[in-house]
Amino acid sequence: QITLKESGPTLVKPTQTLTLTCTFSGFSLSTSGVGVGWIRQPPGKALEWLALIYWNDDKRYSPSLKSRLTITKDTSKNQVVLTMTNMDPVDTATYYCAHMGVVAATLFDYWGQGTLVTVSS
Amino acid sequence: NFMLTQPHSVSESPGKTVTISCTRSSGSIASNYVQWYQQRPGSAPTTVIYEDNQRPSGVPDRFSGSIDSSSNSASLTISGLKTEDEADYYCQSYDSSNQVVFGGGTKLTVL
Repeated sequence: QITLKESGPTLVKPTQTLTLTCTFSGFSLSTSGVGVGWIRQPPGKALEWLALIYWNDDKRYSPSLKSRLTITKDTSKNQVVLTMTNMDPVDTATYYCAHMGVVAATLFDYWGQGTLVTVSS
Repeated sequence: NFMLTQPHSVSESPGKTVTISCTRSSGSIASNYVQWYQQRPGSAPTTVIYEDNQRPSGVPDRFSGSIDSSSNSASLTISGLKTEDEADYYCQSYDSSNQVVFGGGTKLTVL
């Protein structure tokens, strides 16, 4: 059974760096073809893909946010960490992590419950 | 990169059929698989269609997906609409560099 859970601060101040952790179980991020991605959703708005890391440490970033994002993995801890620098109120959103690669290679087939991050002074 | 454009909202009556489109702005829709997610308020998205037209186990066969190269779009069709189908629906694809793209979402109202 695959599960993912996001954790991190619920409130950050403008200009600060956000660090979110995705802790997962039921799969290994050292298995060929597996990936974990981050997606966010501002209140009342659409899903926006942020970043993706694969089993082989290959990383992909949203072109519009690439300069602010870093994604890393700790296979031994079953965790993926996303950092986003220079936070702004427009970054207020629910942040999801999701698993990719069991059902289909490019499908986010399992999602965490999401964590709401508010950016405010 | 490319964009995926969806209608902002659609509505239909219970028992009827509705189709939600997802148009790719550049590059062929057939080049990369399209997935469809359903999102109910307060919940994470779940998959209703993957790889253009595949249904995960547990998704009713009332849900179907297709692509149309002539309009460069993908479509999600839901037949025999039920009130429980009322949700937001998102298409998703990717490019040759494995950059993921989501559509803007479509709010389905079943009235």
